[in-house]
Amino acid sequence: KAGVTQTPRYLIKTRGQQVTLSCSPISGHRSVSWYQQTPGQGLQFLFEYFSETQRNKGNFPGRFSGRQFSNSRSEMNVSTLELGDSALYLCASSFWQGNNEQFFGPGTRLTVL
Amino acid sequence: GQQLNQSPQSMFIQEGEDVSMNCTSSSIFNTWLWYKQDPGEGPVLLIALYKAGELTSNGRLTAQFGITRKDSFLNISASIPSDVGIYFCAGPAPNNAGNMLTFGGGTRLMVKP
Repeated sequence: KAGVTQTPRYLIKTRGQQVTLSCSPISGHRSVSWYQQTPGQGLQFLFEYFSETQRNKGNFPGRFSGRQFSNSRSEMNVSTLELGDSALYLCASSFWQGNNEQFFGPGTRLTVL
Repeated sequence: GQQLNQSPQSMFIQEGEDVSMNCTSSSIFNTWLWYKQDPGEGPVLLIALYKAGELTSNGRLTAQFGITRKDSFLNISASIPSDVGIYFCAGPAPNNAGNMLTFGGGTRLMVKP
C-alpha cells in the first residue's frame, strides 16, 4: 500500500507570494492533518480535515488555509508569505477522525526569501 | 506552546548500547505515540500506547505508558547505527476529540565519534 505522498517536495517563494501544497493520503484513509515543523517551534498542528470538512484548527493566522476533496486528497494554502513561514510542512493521514495513529508524508520544504 | 517535555534533548550512542528516553506532560494523555524522524523525511510511527501501564515492543524498541498517564518511556536495546535520528513522543491534545497531536521537542540520537 502506498504511503502518504506530498508534492512538491521543495519550494522556494518570495515574500508576499502565495503557495499551495498537496497531500494524497494512504488509500482508504479519510482524515488528513497538516503540521508545520521549524527548528524553533518544533512540530505544530495546523488543521485537520475529515469528510471534506475542517474539524480542528491550530493557532495559526488566517493566511493558512486548507481544503479536502471527495477523494480525501488535501491541499493547504499560505497567502502573503512571510519569512517566518519557511518550514517543513507535513501532512499526516489516518483511517478516520479520532484514530490517533497518524502516518506522515515526507513533507514539503518551503523556503521564503 | 508545547505541553510535552522530552529528555534528554540529545544523546550520543555507541553501537550495542541500550538507550532510554522519556516524555512527560502536565496533562493526562489517553494515548501516547512514539515517532522517529530521519533527516529530510517525515516522522515514522514506531509504537502506539493506549492503556496506562501498557508495555509494547516493536523489535528492539520497547515503550511504556506511565501509570499516572502523564509520562511515557522509550527504550532501544542494542543500538545500531541506523537508530540515529530524532525521536518524538506525541499524543492527542487534551480535551480534543479529533486528530490534533501535540509533539514533544524530540530526542536527537547521534553516534559517538
